[in-house]
Amino acid sequence: AQRVTQPEKLLSVFKGAPVELKCNYSYSGSPELFWYVQYSRQRLQLLLRHISRESIKGFTADLNKGETSFHLKKPFAQEEDSAMYYCALKLGGGNKLTFGTGTQLKVEL
Amino acid sequence: SAVISQKPSRDICQRGTSLTIQCQVDSQVTMMFWYRQQPGQSLTLIATANQGSEATYESGFVIDKFPISRPNLTFSTLTVSNMSPEDSSIYLCSGGTDTDTQYFGPGTRLTVL
Repeated sequence: AQRVTQPEKLLSVFKGAPVELKCNYSYSGSPELFWYVQYSRQRLQLLLRHISRESIKGFTADLNKGETSFHLKKPFAQEEDSAMYYCALKLGGGNKLTFGTGTQLKVEL
Repeated sequence: SAVISQKPSRDICQRGTSLTIQCQVDSQVTMMFWYRQQPGQSLTLIATANQGSEATYESGFVIDKFPISRPNLTFSTLTVSNMSPEDSSIYLCSGGTDTDTQYFGPGTRLTVL
């Protein structure tokens, strides 16, 4: 069965420091990977998806099929980046999402 | 994009009772889903709400416990039946018009005493 692993429940960094939120997946087919974010008192929203190969709010994520990873990165963390981040997997050809357990990012001044 | 609202936003219920959660989308969406997020855990898909037909449930979830309706493309309900404290959770509705982007509701926080 497919699985998404986010090993860190909490990641604390200083403002201006680089950020890397880890995500690994297990799936034998062709997955589609997403990052969702939930800011304080807001609803869950899509941050980015691997097929778009885009940078959103300075964040990027590259799908590494060899390492089965989809880590989220940002070179310089900002205070407004503090939020809960979820990695999600969609099976190829399907429409259901499997979520990781989430990583709480805290950016300190 | 789609804006999704849920009612109620929270509720406290007695064990053995049932609660129906409503999900309203401001535009027509092809897919609607219901998720559960138990304390400290990730989102778990309960079922896909199918318009005009029975919902498709994930392993571990059954219709008798979580009956779902979707009478049209913009509205769905999830009922949590015969509740126990283990059903205390946040219940989330999501919807989308394509298979890539899902929009989420604000969630319903349920506490069962």
